[in-house]
Amino acid sequence: QSALTQPRSVSGSPGQSVTISCTGTSSDVGGYNYVSWYQHHPGKTPKLMIYDVSERPSGVPDRFSGSKSGNTASLTISGLQAEDEADYYCCSCTDISTYVFGTGTEVTVL
Amino acid sequence: EVQLVDSGGGLVQPGRSLRLSCKNSGSTFGNYALTWVRQAPGKGLEWVAFIRSKTYGETTEYAASVKGRFTISRDDSKGIAYLQMNSLKTEDTAVYYCSRLYYYYFDYWGQGTLVTVSS
Repeated sequence: QSALTQPRSVSGSPGQSVTISCTGTSSDVGGYNYVSWYQHHPGKTPKLMIYDVSERPSGVPDRFSGSKSGNTASLTISGLQAEDEADYYCCSCTDISTYVFGTGTEVTVL
Repeated sequence: EVQLVDSGGGLVQPGRSLRLSCKNSGSTFGNYALTWVRQAPGKGLEWVAFIRSKTYGETTEYAASVKGRFTISRDDSKGIAYLQMNSLKTEDTAVYYCSRLYYYYFDYWGQGTLVTVSS
């Protein structure tokens, strides 16, 4: 199972919006509405930001939103803040009952 | 609340074995699936394995990269999940995180334990 494809990096100024794409296949992203997104600061524990494509756990700011179209899921961060600078990973279940993460995207706040 | 604590990492030679532990010190452990995720130095997150709850037969799934070498198990009476890693390779060097698999996402994570495979 190949990793889902994400851009290596995205950047934006404070207050701007950035969108991270996550491209898979019909065997994972496209086949199920079970895409989740994780924020990972180096040296820290990953944090769940979005689950089931677009659901936000309690405590996650509504600046974070998710969507999906076909085999590509997206995470949008609106009103970018300094503390949003981190690595972000998408994840999907697959048709063989496994899970696959994305390649990861480094978000930089300029 | 779920609180997971990973342990058991260390330095091990290629071809040897190591067992990681994930202890839950919070709420009911036995009702949920548990998973292991790793991150190699300078690399991204990689899903490794998961084990379903007793209700679902404690059945297991593995990533192709570890299938046949790693075994995930659980002891609900102790609130511990294990990852037995055999025939270790240098490419298994990583920080290993256990996490609760809730429906189809990972919501609680341990702090991670570092495994270094080197001669």
